[in-house]
Amino acid sequence: EAQVTQNPRYLITVTGKKLTVTCSQNMNHEYMSWYRQDPGLGLRQIYYSMNVEVTDKGDVPEGYKVSRKEKRNFPLILESPSPNQTSLYFCASSLIRGAGYTQYFGPGTRLTVL
Amino acid sequence: QKEVEQNSGPLSVPEGAIASLNCTYSDRGSQSFFWYRQYSGKSPELIMFIYSNGDKEDGRFTAQLNKASQYVSLLIRDSQPSDSATYLCAVNGEIQGAQKLVFGQGTRLTINP
Repeated sequence: EAQVTQNPRYLITVTGKKLTVTCSQNMNHEYMSWYRQDPGLGLRQIYYSMNVEVTDKGDVPEGYKVSRKEKRNFPLILESPSPNQTSLYFCASSLIRGAGYTQYFGPGTRLTVL
Repeated sequence: QKEVEQNSGPLSVPEGAIASLNCTYSDRGSQSFFWYRQYSGKSPELIMFIYSNGDKEDGRFTAQLNKASQYVSLLIRDSQPSDSATYLCAVNGEIQGAQKLVFGQGTRLTINP
């Protein structure tokens, strides 16, 4: 089954404790992206990657890191989480060409930073 | 000015009626337009995409695009309670060779039985 998976689905942590949210897709998509969704602010892009070893900042990259060592994986790293990073996070992937760049979303990770 | 604007709603429609959702965008270079449906706490799922001016129909859903007016809409015919969700408009374009998908804030739709 074609899908984007994220882990963990739910995470409660404390300020300053490094964490990683994993994202994996099995559709051989070149493009992958991370979004956060907050009430009243909609979906905002954190980072994206056009291909292996190619990453770039989105609209709200502060406090986040990413890496793209393999085509299928795109982990999101919070080196020192803070309460303002409490949010619902989505990973998405798509082809670079064709199909209108349709993005397919993972199930989401709900992060709470205390 | 926001890049993609939607009325946040809530929009309330009786069951069986037509629900009309609207979206405007600011970038005239935008190439592709998407409608996603999102149930509370779930991930967005694609309903339709449209590239060309005019209408595109898929079952009970019709997307309408007017690039001159920078306007895209989604019509849902014979609305069902299961259509109650937040509908996200997204617009895609290329900026400096990189694709960028920009989302509106979404319109919350409620279908009343």
